[in-house]
Parts: sequence; structure tokens; C-alpha cells
Amino acid sequence: DAGVTQSPTHLIKTRGQQVTLRCSPISGHKSVSWYQQVLGQGPQFIFQYYEKEERGRGNFPDRFSARQFPNYSSELNVNALLLGDSALYLCASSYRGETQYFGPGTRLLVL
Amino acid sequence: GESVGLHLPTLSVQEGDNSIINCAYSNSASDYFIWYKQESGKGPQFIIDIRSNMDKRQGQRVTVLLNKTVKHLSLQIAATQPGDSAVYFCAENRAYKLSFGAGTTVTVRA
Repeated sequence: DAGVTQSPTHLIKTRGQQVTLRCSPISGHKSVSWYQQVLGQGPQFIFQYYEKEERGRGNFPDRFSARQFPNYSSELNVNALLLGDSALYLCASSYRGETQYFGPGTRLLVL
Repeated sequence: GESVGLHLPTLSVQEGDNSIINCAYSNSASDYFIWYKQESGKGPQFIIDIRSNMDKRQGQRVTVLLNKTVKHLSLQIAATQPGDSAVYFCAENRAYKLSFGAGTTVTVRA
């Protein structure tokens, strides 16, 4: 069975640019969560979507937004990139939000 | 602040020995915990979970213990192998949001 997939795997952007990250959940899972992991720290919760509705949002600025599509895939958008946005962005898939399974992540470098 | 925290940032273990990784949490209402393993360059991998109505849960070579009295949980890895070298996180799931501690880096010595 395919696990959680994320694209792209790596990305380099410059300050002020915008980025879109993509995630496909495990087949049958209806919930997608996004996390940011800065080097040396644990993942920090950004968003959770369930059945295409936002169910939770972490302490991140409005520059971060996301959406979930009818096929339950999801996109995370970050506008006006800052150097501090450089991190590993993780997508987690779950049936309803409890046991979450992570993808490999997208490593974003902002120069 | 963090709702979960790990006791030691690093742990060095001889191959074949048992490993014990500890984690403390602060909210007595917490009722669902998950242990993840993260290898370099990869996303966190689910190891085992436990709910507050249990004290112990076993998987393949792993055991999680939950002590609600002192708000502490531990992950025990039996017969540690080189492939167990990774960063281990305990996470609390509250309202479908995972809160992670900083992680314990486990290094297995040959």
C-alpha cells in the first residue's frame, strides 16, 4: 500500500516568494495535517483538515494557508517567505485525525 | 510551553542491550500518546500508541508504559539493533493536534 506522498522533496526559494507544497494521504484516510519541523526540534502543528474543512490551526501567521480537495489531497501555501520559514514541512494522514502517519516531508530552504 | 517533554536529549546503547526512552507530560487530561521514530532525512515513523485507559502496550520488540499518577511514559526497545539508531519523539494527541517533545537521539554502539 502506498503511504503518504509529498511533493516536491526539496525546494529552494528566496525571501518574499510564495511556495505551494502538496500532499496525498493514505488511501481511505480523510484527514490531513501539516507540521513544520525546524532542525533539532520536534514538529510543530500548523493545520488539520478533515472532510475538506479546517478543523484546527496552530500558532502560525496568516501567511500560511492550506486547503483540502475532494480527493482528500491537500496543499499548504506560504506567502511572503522569510528566512525563518526554512524547515522540513511534514504532512500527516489519518482516517479521522487520531493516529497520524507522516510522509517523507518537503525540505524548504529560503535564501 | 511544551505539553510533553523528553528526559534526555541523547542515549547511547550497546547493540543487543535494551533501551529505555522517557517522556513526561503536563496535562492530566491527556488521554492518547504516540511514539514516533525519525531517521535522518525522513519523516516520523509511527512506532506504537497508548491510551490513558491502559498502563502498558506491547509491539514487536517495543513496549510503552504509561504512569498516569506521575504523568510519565516510556518506550522500551528490546535487543537494540543498529537500525534503531534514530531520533525518538513522544507525542500527545489532543483534539487531533499532535504536540511533540524535543526528541531523544538514540545511538547504537556496535
